[in-house]
Amino acid sequence: QQQVKQSPQSLIVQKGGIPIINCAYENTAFDYFPWYQQFPGKGPALLIAIRPDVSEKKEGRFTISFNKSAKQFSLHIMDSQPGDSATYFCAAKVDTGRRALTFGSGTRLQVQP
Amino acid sequence: SAVISQKPSRDICQRGTSLTIQCQVDSQVTMMFWYRQQPGQSLTLIATANQGSEATYESGFVIDKFPISRPNLTFSTLTVSNMSPEDSSIYLCSVDPGYTFGSGTRLTVV
Repeated sequence: QQQVKQSPQSLIVQKGGIPIINCAYENTAFDYFPWYQQFPGKGPALLIAIRPDVSEKKEGRFTISFNKSAKQFSLHIMDSQPGDSATYFCAAKVDTGRRALTFGSGTRLQVQP
Repeated sequence: SAVISQKPSRDICQRGTSLTIQCQVDSQVTMMFWYRQQPGQSLTLIATANQGSEATYESGFVIDKFPISRPNLTFSTLTVSNMSPEDSSIYLCSVDPGYTFGSGTRLTVV
């Protein structure tokens, strides 16, 4: 119930492409869904987050699409650049009780020049 | 969002010793979380620390091995006790509200 399943494990795209990373969950009590970007040797950096009453959110080149009925959400990176090469994690949390984030397994993205 | 400072950033420790990791936040926060990230893996929650109460540990993590202090609303420590090479990981703290992360402590046990 606490799991968040993330795919793909790794992804290679050309510069300018639109990588898409997907996550699925089972716990309908989740109410906050963030995405993190992590570079080697650094802590995860919060990129963008969405709540289940919204179907899409854009911040710069990053977009979250959220499908509440399917219990799925995805990250799209528009006009991807080599500097976007990093590991991306989706996460989710409930609003009461245990408020800690549950993380997906991560996607290693490589954007080739 | 809260800015989190973690110390030390990295350390190499001898088997059987203990290391205390500090997490300092630039604003008052309700909850602080400690995570472990093994090489090439995702983040696993160790425990949740509220000010003025005992930390709540996740399955597989115990207080004797990972004692946590939370003396006020901006500071927490995690101790990794009686270390073995299996404890080699990155240890991260995070906070609620905001869910930002510190830069992590890279621990190597030899």
